[in-house]
Amino acid sequence: NAGVTQTPKFQVLKTGQSMTLQCAQDMNHNSMYWYRQDPGMGLRLIYYSASEGTTDKGEVPNGYNVSRLNKREFSLRLESAAPSQTSVYFCASNVQGLTGELFFGEGSRLTVL
Amino acid sequence: AQSVTQPDIHITVSEGASLELRCNYSYGATPYLFWYVQSPGQGLQLLLKYFSGDTLVQGIKGFEAEFKRSQSSFNLRKPSVHWSDAAEYFCAVGANTNAGKSTFGDGTTLTVKP
Repeated sequence: NAGVTQTPKFQVLKTGQSMTLQCAQDMNHNSMYWYRQDPGMGLRLIYYSASEGTTDKGEVPNGYNVSRLNKREFSLRLESAAPSQTSVYFCASNVQGLTGELFFGEGSRLTVL
Repeated sequence: AQSVTQPDIHITVSEGASLELRCNYSYGATPYLFWYVQSPGQGLQLLLKYFSGDTLVQGIKGFEAEFKRSQSSFNLRKPSVHWSDAAEYFCAVGANTNAGKSTFGDGTTLTVKP
């Protein structure tokens, strides 16, 4: 059982370039999330999707867009990368409305030069 | 708005010693509380959770946590730490809403001395 799978695991971008982080879960969860993790700042919610067809902003959405492609997949796009977006990005999922327990992917480390 | 405070950024304990990691939360209703562990280069893994009922909850790897409503705390404990427990620990408060969004503390890094 793969759980939550993120790709790519590592990426280096130049300022202004664009890229998409992919996330897929095989647990039939309704809700999916994108967090970023920076040293000393815990995890901050970027965007989330409570259910297929819906997306909402989290705490730090500026500079990002998301797409809930289907129930399994939730992608995060950086249209014009900035050095401030250098971070480790985590995708997570959970069962909507029943528990807040999150299941995490292994993370994607992004460096913007 | 919900929030979580982990007062200790870094804790060092000797192997075999007991451990307590502190967590204080702010939430308007009865919270859902979680502790997650993150090993280097890995995602977060759930250690334990509190939703309701018994205020002392048991988790994986020998960890336990106690919910104290009067103190707005949910401290994580382990009687005897193993070297493999060295990791970063995150406390989180969640909600049983449609989105079930969780808010995380800034984390506590645990170092285990041999």
